[in-house]
Amino acid sequence: AIQMTQSPSSLSASVGDSVTITCRASQGIRNDLGWYQQKPGKAPKLLIYAASSLQNGVPSRFSGSGSGTDFTLTINSLQPEDFATYYCLQDYNYPRTFGQGTKVEI
Amino acid sequence: QLQLQESGPGLVKPSETLSLTCTVSDGSISSSSYYWSWIRQPPGEGLEWIGSMYYSGSTYYNPSLKSRVTISVDTSKNQFSLRLRSVTATDTAIYYCARANYGDPFDYWGQGTLVTVSS
Repeated sequence: AIQMTQSPSSLSASVGDSVTITCRASQGIRNDLGWYQQKPGKAPKLLIYAASSLQNGVPSRFSGSGSGTDFTLTINSLQPEDFATYYCLQDYNYPRTFGQGTKVEI
Repeated sequence: QLQLQESGPGLVKPSETLSLTCTVSDGSISSSSYYWSWIRQPPGEGLEWIGSMYYSGSTYYNPSLKSRVTISVDTSKNQFSLRLRSVTATDTAIYYCARANYGDPFDYWGQGTLVTVSS
């Protein structure tokens, strides 16, 4: 199974900051990567698919990049509603695997 | 707008079978190119993919659970189901159903249902 390693596991930031979360795959996955945002008590919400494509309705301050094994999620001008946990997911092959999550805290 | 809703017992005894159903609304489960999936999340922990089923019947399971898991589809009811046999306390989790288009990540999710394994 492909292992997805996210870093950092948590970070502290302020409103208005830019933050970057990274996800590394244990083998090449082309651009078959998605990013999710999860708030307490809620289901994950898809933000980015195909590594860099913004899901409909997601604010443009979210962006993704990368290909192969190394990927990043960037949130520009952090808003209060962005404090949450973020996960990457590889959909290159089965079994699907998630990163362990990055908690973005105030 | 497609909606998914999990249902089933919130408490299951150790060694018994966990059974959940996901009802799909405002969309057909028989639509080609979609995979219907189950994902779980132990309280306070990360996400674990359980398995996926194509509407035609092809299934894919997490190797760590494969010996205990069955996912099935009932097109007449627009539902798909999860059965997880011989559960233990480590199977306690929030269980989500979700949809993915072929080659894409899960885009629609149910709200999740907490299943506790305890005697």
